[in-house]
Amino acid sequence: GAVVSQHPSWVICKSGTSVKIECRSLDFQATTMFWYRQFPKQSLMLMATSNEGSKATYEQGVEKDKFLINHASLTLSTLTVTSAHPEDSSFYICSARDLVWVVGEQFFGPGTRLTVL
Amino acid sequence: GESVGLHLPTLSVQEGDNSIINCAYSNSASDYFIWYKQESGKGPQFIIDIRSNMDKRQGQRVTVLLNKTVKHLSLQIAATQPGDSAVYFCAENIIGEKLTFGTGTRLTIIP
Repeated sequence: GAVVSQHPSWVICKSGTSVKIECRSLDFQATTMFWYRQFPKQSLMLMATSNEGSKATYEQGVEKDKFLINHASLTLSTLTVTSAHPEDSSFYICSARDLVWVVGEQFFGPGTRLTVL
Repeated sequence: GESVGLHLPTLSVQEGDNSIINCAYSNSASDYFIWYKQESGKGPQFIIDIRSNMDKRQGQRVTVLLNKTVKHLSLQIAATQPGDSAVYFCAENIIGEKLTFGTGTRLTIIP
């Protein structure tokens, strides 16, 4: 149980275009989902916390108008990278916390590799 | 912009030997700690966790040790196998708040 999926697994786009990444909890309901970004040979950096039905909370230094997050249901959160540029190329990972929350456990998706040309 | 990526600490271990991966955490108020394994191109995979009211917890082939006095966490992997090769991250949080990840250690198992 506790499976989180992401779609797409990889995407290549031109500079200036927008890209949407989906994060789904497949077998549980998630009131809270988290979006992370990971650059090569670096750790995961939290970008934002997404709560179902409310606005996302962004970490310091993350542009909320550039990284649009929508958490419209208990099983789906989306991250849209607007007007993407090469410096946005990264590995984007989501995680979800079960509605029946056990301690602090989060379940991670497989990640989405974004390459902006 | 983002800084240049740092080289991950690396650890090479002979197959069948035991490995110990260390992590120094930053927040003395943290009360929950987790070890994750991340293979190339994949998301983090939960390995084992420990609450701050414990100093040791064992799983299958893995043991986590917590020393709150010096804010140190370690992951011991017994009888390492080629499939254990990955990057290992520790993470800390105050329950109910966000996870903070450590810098990671790349473990390479030598056949």
